[in-house]
Amino acid sequence: KAGVTQTPRYLIKTRGQQVTLSCSPISGHRSVSWYQQTPGQGLQFLFEYFSETQRNKGNFPGRFSGRQFSNSRSEMNVSTLELGDSALYLCASSLFYSSTDTQYFGPGTRLTVL
Amino acid sequence: AQSVTQLGSHVSVSEGALVLLRCNYSSSVPPYLFWYVQYPNQGLQLLLKYTSAATLVKGINGFEAEFKKSETSFHLTKPSAHMSDAAEYFCAVSDQDNDMRFGAGTRLTVKP
Repeated sequence: KAGVTQTPRYLIKTRGQQVTLSCSPISGHRSVSWYQQTPGQGLQFLFEYFSETQRNKGNFPGRFSGRQFSNSRSEMNVSTLELGDSALYLCASSLFYSSTDTQYFGPGTRLTVL
Repeated sequence: AQSVTQLGSHVSVSEGALVLLRCNYSSSVPPYLFWYVQYPNQGLQLLLKYTSAATLVKGINGFEAEFKKSETSFHLTKPSAHMSDAAEYFCAVSDQDNDMRFGAGTRLTVKP
């Protein structure tokens, strides 16, 4: 079974631009969660989507948004990029809710904001 | 709200020695507890998880962890370290209704 895939793997943007990251979960998984990983803040939860509905949201500004499609694929969008948004963005999928089910992580998208 | 504290951002052991990575949690309801490992330039991989069944949880690659409610701890151990165990390890806590919270991580170095 194919794992979680994330595209693109690397991205360079400039301040003020917007970016869209994509995540394809394991086939049959209904939950997709997004995390931001930085050296200073560690791993922080962004949001979780389950069956196309946002189930939980972390403490991030409204510039961070996401969505999930009917095939469970998910995208996250960051508008008006800031230098501090430079991070590794990880996507994880699970059969059911991420809080109780095993999550399978993708390799991440490394975003650099210049 | 739940939280996790990992004691020691860096741990160094010799090959063949015991690995002990410490994790203490805070949760107002029965928690789910997880240990994940991250190798360079990769995502996280689940080592093991506690879901209120047996308190001693066995995971992959010879790792295990014991849930101790009285100490609010979930320390990760492995009897004999291999060079391939060098990585960053994350403890995480969640419950039925809340998202997963990760610890700051512990980088494990294995010396030959």
